[in-house]
Amino acid sequence: EIVLTQSPGTLSLSPGERATLSCRASQSVSSSYLAWYQQKPGQAPRLLIYGASSRATGIPDRFSGSGSGTDFTLTISRLEPEDFAVYHCQQYVSLPRTFGQGTKLEIK
Amino acid sequence: QVQLQESGPGLVKPSQTLSLTCTVSGGSISSGGYYWSWIRQHPGKGLEWIGYIYYSGTTSYNPSLKSRVTISVDTSKNQFSLKLRSVTAADTAVYYCARETWIQRGNGVDVWGQGTTVTVSS
Repeated sequence: EIVLTQSPGTLSLSPGERATLSCRASQSVSSSYLAWYQQKPGQAPRLLIYGASSRATGIPDRFSGSGSGTDFTLTISRLEPEDFAVYHCQQYVSLPRTFGQGTKLEIK
Repeated sequence: QVQLQESGPGLVKPSQTLSLTCTVSGGSISSGGYYWSWIRQHPGKGLEWIGYIYYSGTTSYNPSLKSRVTISVDTSKNQFSLKLRSVTAADTAVYYCARETWIQRGNGVDVWGQGTTVTVSS
């Protein structure tokens, strides 16, 4: 199975700053079938990015995804207060589907 | 738009079977291009994919759970279900039903239920 490793585990930033989250795969995620989700406490995850770089419906353009192969990045260009949450990456190119362990984005 | 709602007992005794149902509203479960999924999250932990089913009945399960899991679909009721046998405290988690979309290309898990907490305890 493909193991996804997210870094850092926790990222402490201030509103207005730029956030860069990493997701590294143990083997190539072909066709860039890599997604990013945002999860707030007590809520279900919400799809942000699919296909490594395509924004899901209704997602603000401050969220962007990039990468291919084994290295992927989620960037939030200018943090808003509502962006502080946990972010998960997931590969859906192979079975079983796997998720990273999550990155917690907290207010500094 | 499509909405998903989990239902089932919130408390299950050890060694028994956990049974959850997901009701799909706002769309047909029989529409092609969707994999109807179960995903769980242990307290304070990351997400774990349990498995999925296509409306035709084709399934795929996480090998770590495969011997204990069955996912089924009832197209007449627009529902799909999860059964997890021989549960232990390690199965205590929030269980989500979700939709993985493949329209022209893979679109990720774009619809999630609100999640239901299942506790395994005597």
